[in-house]
Amino acid sequence: GQQLNQSPQSMFIQEGEDVSMNCTSSSIFNTWLWYKQDPGEGPVLLIALYKAGELTSNGRLTAQFGITRKDSFLNISASIPSDVGIYFCAGQGQAGTALIFGKGTTLSVSS
Amino acid sequence: DTGVSQDPRHKITKRGQNVTFRCDPISEHNRLYWYRQTLGQGPEFLTYFQNEAQLEKSRLLSDRFSAERPKGSFSTLEIQRTEQGDSAMYLCAPTGAGNEQFFGPGTRLTVL
Repeated sequence: GQQLNQSPQSMFIQEGEDVSMNCTSSSIFNTWLWYKQDPGEGPVLLIALYKAGELTSNGRLTAQFGITRKDSFLNISASIPSDVGIYFCAGQGQAGTALIFGKGTTLSVSS
Repeated sequence: DTGVSQDPRHKITKRGQNVTFRCDPISEHNRLYWYRQTLGQGPEFLTYFQNEAQLEKSRLLSDRFSAERPKGSFSTLEIQRTEQGDSAMYLCAPTGAGNEQFFGPGTRLTVL
């Protein structure tokens, strides 16, 4: 099925560093979402974006809805060990339709 | 805690057996989605319900799969005659007030 292009595939960083990951699509989306998934658990919603150009923060996380509506990025500032996990972007066309997910970015943080 | 429980959390079965998973949102949710996630991939859409009506099915949902939401609250997903390719995490996601999808913890299915 259709998937988004998410990069990088994995990142290995030191505690305290900032992290940036992004997601691109060939299709326009009306909503972009970012989720974090820990092993053996379901994805947890971090940030939802509803308008092109929108910049939204949630604590140390900041995400932006690209102006073309075909991309989004997520930044994590001052990373800590509990940031470890897999981060997924997801795009949604019409409200209420199914989400299209990227393949995820695996984040490892060393202390 | 997303307010969604899934049962069982893990299921190991032999090829050819039938399995049924259950998703229980704690509160009332208009829409409920099922996704499947295989190793190294993001979740992929299977089907969704608006109240008790099943409104959309993806091509991934073969005729061996059936889903129900009889009272518009909990939902079940059944797989008949399981195959090794059915091994995956099955996730349900009811919608919140803003139509965001909040995922349950998933059911990990292993078909031997």
